[in-house]
Amino acid sequence: KAGVTQTPRYLIKTRGQQVTLSCSPISGHRSVSWYQQTPGQGLQFLFEYFSETQRNKGNFPGRFSGRQFSNSRSEMNVSTLELGDSALYLCASSGQNTEAFFGQGTRLTVV
Amino acid sequence: QQQVKQSPQSLIVQKGGISIINCAYENTAFDYFPWYQQFPGKGPALLIAIRPDVSEKKEGRFTISFNKSAKQFSLHIMDSQPGDSATYFCAASKNNDMRFGAGTRLTVKP
Repeated sequence: KAGVTQTPRYLIKTRGQQVTLSCSPISGHRSVSWYQQTPGQGLQFLFEYFSETQRNKGNFPGRFSGRQFSNSRSEMNVSTLELGDSALYLCASSGQNTEAFFGQGTRLTVV
Repeated sequence: QQQVKQSPQSLIVQKGGISIINCAYENTAFDYFPWYQQFPGKGPALLIAIRPDVSEKKEGRFTISFNKSAKQFSLHIMDSQPGDSATYFCAASKNNDMRFGAGTRLTVKP
């Protein structure tokens, strides 16, 4: 069974640009959650999607948004990038039993 | 607002020793408490998890102890090995809204 796939693995963007990250969950999993990981703030919850609906949301500004498609694949978008958005962005997929499985992440660097 | 507090920040243990990492949570609505292991350059990997209706869960060398009244839980790694050297995160979750501790960097010396 394939794991959670995140693309791209690495990304360099300029301040003010926008970026879209992609996550393909484990087959059969309908919940996808996104997290931001930085050395200073640790792992922070961004939002969770289930059946194409945002079900939970963390404390991030509106520049961070996401969506989920009918095949459960999810995208996360960050607009008007700031230097502080440089981080490892992780997605996790969950099935019925709440266990969350993470992808390898997308390393975003904003310059 | 840090909903899950984890300690220690770093831990050095000799091979064969016991590693103990502690976490405390605030929100009594949390109903799922997993532990994740993360190696550099990798995403976190689920190690073991517990629900609040049991006080202990053991899987191999890894044991979670859970104290619902104190709102605390801990991870014990028995017979620690150099390959266990990684960062460990505790988490607390309700309906897939998961909040993580700050992480513990474990180093197991040979």
